[in-house]
Amino acid sequence: DAKTTQPPSMDCAEGRAANLPCNHSTISGNEYVYWYRQIHSQGPQYIIHGLKNNETNEMASLIITEDRKSSTLILPHATLRDTAVYYCIVRVRTQEETSYDKVIFGPGTSLSVIP
Amino acid sequence: EAQVTQNPRYLITVTGKKLTVTCSQNMNHEYMSWYRQDPGLGLRQIYYSMNVEVTDKGDVPEGYKVSRKEKRNFPLILESPSPNQTSLYFCASRNRNTGELFFGEGSRLTVL
Repeated sequence: DAKTTQPPSMDCAEGRAANLPCNHSTISGNEYVYWYRQIHSQGPQYIIHGLKNNETNEMASLIITEDRKSSTLILPHATLRDTAVYYCIVRVRTQEETSYDKVIFGPGTSLSVIP
Repeated sequence: EAQVTQNPRYLITVTGKKLTVTCSQNMNHEYMSWYRQDPGLGLRQIYYSMNVEVTDKGDVPEGYKVSRKEKRNFPLILESPSPNQTSLYFCASRNRNTGELFFGEGSRLTVL
C-alpha cells in the first residue's frame, strides 16, 4: 500500500501556479515527505523534500500542514516543460531500525500544463 | 557528472533466456534499488541494497535476483524471463545525507 494519496490528474494554465496536493495521514514523526516528477518515460527526478517546515528551492515550494498529514507542492509559474507525473512519497522504515528503506511510489498526479 | 547508468536501454528477448540489466553509479552511494514501472501501476520496488553484500526484497521480487558485490554496481538478473516481466525498469541510488534518489534513464524490456 502506498502511504500517500494524490489526485490522478490536474490541469494548470501556463504561467500560473500549480498546486499539487498529497495526503499522508499515517505519516510517522520521523518520516520525510519527498516529491519527484517523471517526464514521459524518463527516470524520476527529485524536486524537494521536507520534514515539518515549509521548504523552497529553485524548482518548487513544499508546504506541509502543521499536523503533517498532508502537503502541497507548488510550482510557482508553471511552464509546458512542467507537464509530468508528480510523485509524493514518504520514506518507510522497515522492521529493523538500522535498515531504513523501503520506498513506495504511488500512481502520482499527472499534471498537464495548458498553453 | 553524477549519474546512474543502466544497460541495455532497450532489449527484446524470448521466454527463458537469462538476461542481466546492469546498473552503475558514480556517487559512492551505499543504497541502491531497482523498480519496475507498468501502466497504471506506478513504480514498484523489486529489490534494494543498503550496502555491499546487503540486499532485501521490495514489493515485487518474484522472478528476479540481484547482487551487490561492489558499491558502484547493482545488476538485476532475470534467470528465466517471462512475458509478465515485460516492463520499464529503473535503477536508483540514494544520497545518504539528503535521502535524494538518483534514477537511471530506464531499461525497456520486452519478453516474447
